[in-house]
Amino acid sequence: DGGITQSPKYLFRKEGQNVTLSCEQNLNHDAMYWYRQDPGQGLRLIYYSQIVNDFQKGDIAEGYSVSREKKESFPLTVTSAQKNPTAFYLCASSPGAGNSPLHFGNGTRLTVT
Amino acid sequence: SQQGEEDPQALSIQEGENATMNCSYKTSINNLQWYRQNSGRGLVHLILIRSNEREKHSGRLRVTLDTSKKSSSLLITASRAADTASYFCATDAHTGNQFYFGTGTSLTVIP
Repeated sequence: DGGITQSPKYLFRKEGQNVTLSCEQNLNHDAMYWYRQDPGQGLRLIYYSQIVNDFQKGDIAEGYSVSREKKESFPLTVTSAQKNPTAFYLCASSPGAGNSPLHFGNGTRLTVT
Repeated sequence: SQQGEEDPQALSIQEGENATMNCSYKTSINNLQWYRQNSGRGLVHLILIRSNEREKHSGRLRVTLDTSKKSSSLLITASRAADTASYFCATDAHTGNQFYFGTGTSLTVIP
């Protein structure tokens, strides 16, 4: 089955530690996205990538970093510089054309204490 | 920011009734999409309407788009308990490279 896999589903970290969230897709999609979702708020775009080895900052990129070394993978690192990292993180992909819907993974809930 | 706003924030209806939720956005778009999210899960795409379309249907879903008012509505007819979820609209920047989501409408359908 084609889809997007995010792992792990739940992640706990101590403050001051960097943590990397995994996102893998086997849909052969060119574009991939990372969103953050907080309670009562919509999704906010952290980073997106249109093609391999290229990515762009979204609205809330500060404190996050990404890489796109392979088409299938778009890992997100939450660094210690991110002031409020506890959130639900969603990865998505699309074929890349502007009229294409996004396909989402089931998210990773990160809790930092 | 081009983020949309859904209205109402929360909606509670009886099974069998229709549910209408609205989305307003700020700048010109190529298309508008509606998504559904069950609690603690990822979003699932429901329907896409292009900027040159005014209405689109998919099963029990009906979406309208008024680009002059920068607004869209999602109608779910004959609602079921399984329709209970949050519903989000998403718009693309005119470049088509980014998607901006609204704050969502939480729909509860009471059996």
